[in-house]
Amino acid sequence: AQSVAQPEDQVNVAEGNPLTVKCTYSVSGNPYLFWYVQYPNRGLQFLLKYITGDNLVKGSYGFEAEFNKSQTSFHLKKPSALVSDSALYFCAVRDPDTGRRALTFGSGTRLQVQP
Amino acid sequence: EPEVTQTPSHQVTQMGQEVILRCVPISNHLYFYWYRQILGQKVEFLVSFYNNEISEKSEIFDDQFSVERPDGSNFTLKIRSTKLEDSAMYFCASKETGANEQFFGPGTRLTVL
Repeated sequence: AQSVAQPEDQVNVAEGNPLTVKCTYSVSGNPYLFWYVQYPNRGLQFLLKYITGDNLVKGSYGFEAEFNKSQTSFHLKKPSALVSDSALYFCAVRDPDTGRRALTFGSGTRLQVQP
Repeated sequence: EPEVTQTPSHQVTQMGQEVILRCVPISNHLYFYWYRQILGQKVEFLVSFYNNEISEKSEIFDDQFSVERPDGSNFTLKIRSTKLEDSAMYFCASKETGANEQFFGPGTRLTVL
C-alpha cells in the first residue's frame, strides 16, 4: 500500500526566510512524488513532481523539492518565502509498479508566512 | 492556460436525494478522476476513468456512486441517495496521456442536510 505522511500541521516562517515543508512516503516500489498547493476556496494546483533522474526538482513559483530515497522523504523547499506563499500544501505519491493511477495524499501542511 | 472546471461550486441537498456533480476536464486529456476531501481531512481518491470505463476505484466508491462521460467534454459524478457523511469537497482531475501530473478543478462543495 502507498502512504504519505506530513508530520507538521502548520509551518510558520518569516518573509524572506527559507522554508521547508516535510513529507515522507511509503511505497513498495519506486515512487512518483508530487506537491500540490491549495489556496482558500481554490482547487489543488500542481507545483512539482519527481519521477526519475535528479533528486532535486524545481517547480512553479520558485519551489523545489529534494527526493531522498534512503530517508523516503520528499521535502518541499523555497530559499526565500513570500507572504503570498501562505496556503495549504499537500504531498502525494503514486506507486507505478502497482499499476494504480490514483494519488495518495498526505494530510496537508498549512504554511503561514509572516510579513 | 487550460483549466479543469467544475459546476456547481456549492450544492446543498437533502439526505436521500440524488446529486450530479459536473466537470469539464482539460480538452486533450483522456484520464479523468474524482477525489473528495471531507472538511479537515485528507484528499481521498474515489475513481479513475479512461476510455469510457472505470479503470480504478476505491472502497469509498460504492454502489451509490457512478460516473459518466455523457459527451465529448463533460465528466460527471452521480451520488444516487446522499447521506450526511457524503458532505465534502469533491474535486475532479484530468491527466494527459504520457504525463504523470493530474490537474485539479476548483471543487464542488457538497452539503447534505
